[in-house]
Amino acid sequence: GAVVSQHPSRVICKSGTSVKIECRSLDFQATTMFWYRQFPKQSLMLMATSNEGSKATYEQGVEKDKFLINHASLTLSTLTVTSAHPEDSSFYICSASLVETQYFGPGTRLLVL
Amino acid sequence: GENVEQHPSTLSVQEGDSAVIKCTYSDSASNYFPWYKQELGKRPQLIIDIRSNVGEKKDQRIAVTLNKTAKHFSLHITETQPEDSAVYFCAASNINNNDMRFGAGTRLTVKP
Repeated sequence: GAVVSQHPSRVICKSGTSVKIECRSLDFQATTMFWYRQFPKQSLMLMATSNEGSKATYEQGVEKDKFLINHASLTLSTLTVTSAHPEDSSFYICSASLVETQYFGPGTRLLVL
Repeated sequence: GENVEQHPSTLSVQEGDSAVIKCTYSDSASNYFPWYKQELGKRPQLIIDIRSNVGEKKDQRIAVTLNKTAKHFSLHITETQPEDSAVYFCAASNINNNDMRFGAGTRLTVKP
């Protein structure tokens, strides 16, 4: 139980394009989903908290117009990196909460050329 | 907000030895403390967790202790094996607001 999927697993895009990442809880309903960014050899940095049916709550320093989050249902949240630039290249991981525990997706490695 | 510190950043042990990773947190309202194991390029996997109403929890070779007064908690791995090699993250959160903060991680290497 408590499986979270994330797609795509890897994406390469040109600078200036937008990339959408999907996060799904497969066998449970998640009222809250989270989006993290992880740089090599570093910890998970929370970008935003996404609640179904409402606007996401962004962490300080995270541009909400650049990282668009949509939580359309209890099993799906999407993160769109708009007008991506090379500095946006990173490992993006989502998680979904079941009671107090967060279960993570496999991550999406984004490379912006 | 919550601030979680984790030590050491790297830890190398011989197979069969024990490994201990320590974390401190700042927010006394935090009441849930999970530990995650992350292998290279993969997702963090929950390995054990503890709530604030419990002082210790054990699951086979893994145990976690919590000292609420001192605001610190530790992960103990006994009889380490090479497959225990990974990065381990502690985290602290308040169950009521789901606001989870992670430590910086500990890279554990178990030498055969």
